[in-house]
Amino acid sequence: DAEITQSPRHKITETGRQVTLACHQTWNHNNMFWYRQDLGHGLRLIHYSYGVQDTNKGEVSDGYSVSRSNTEDLPLTLESAASSQTSVYFCASSELQNSPLHFGNGTRLTVT
Amino acid sequence: AQTVTQSQPEMSVQEAETVTLSCTYDTSENNYYLFWYKQPPSRQMILVIRQEAYKQQNATENRFSVNFQKAAKSFSLKISDSQLGDTAMYFCAFMNRDDKIIFGKGTRLHILP
Repeated sequence: DAEITQSPRHKITETGRQVTLACHQTWNHNNMFWYRQDLGHGLRLIHYSYGVQDTNKGEVSDGYSVSRSNTEDLPLTLESAASSQTSVYFCASSELQNSPLHFGNGTRLTVT
Repeated sequence: AQTVTQSQPEMSVQEAETVTLSCTYDTSENNYYLFWYKQPPSRQMILVIRQEAYKQQNATENRFSVNFQKAAKSFSLKISDSQLGDTAMYFCAFMNRDDKIIFGKGTRLHILP
């Protein structure tokens, strides 16, 4: 069965370190998204991609970057982790045009 | 910019009762999609129901139904015969023509035995 996999499931890192969260989907979806979930804020869009070599900023993109070198993967990089980036991160994908999102199981990131 | 508002941060109901979760949104677009997602304690995000804005008929999925009022920009979720397994965080979400989905802040629902 097709799926979307996030790794690691949990991560603890120190302030200032670079961190990369992996997202891999086997749905062959063109659209991929990264969200962060924080209490009181719901899910907020960080970055998204409509296809290979395409990336776009979401509403909370500062301090994050993504790259899309193939259809299956959209890694999220925190260039210099900050305590404000402690959160649960969700990757999601969708087919073109008006399809619901398929979500990964999330990565809980703690920045100390 | 589109916004999604869920005015009930937390709700509790007895098992077998019916509960309605509220959601309003703001958009200037005419064609869009609306969703309700469920997030149980496992953290998994599960699609509950979807509604196309161009359809007047309210969507239904087993015990879950919506009351879609396009003019009022309202999209409430009704859960009938609630079960303990319905305990979860529920997110209302809006998808625009760019395929981006915007989420509300969520309603935490407790089903009491």
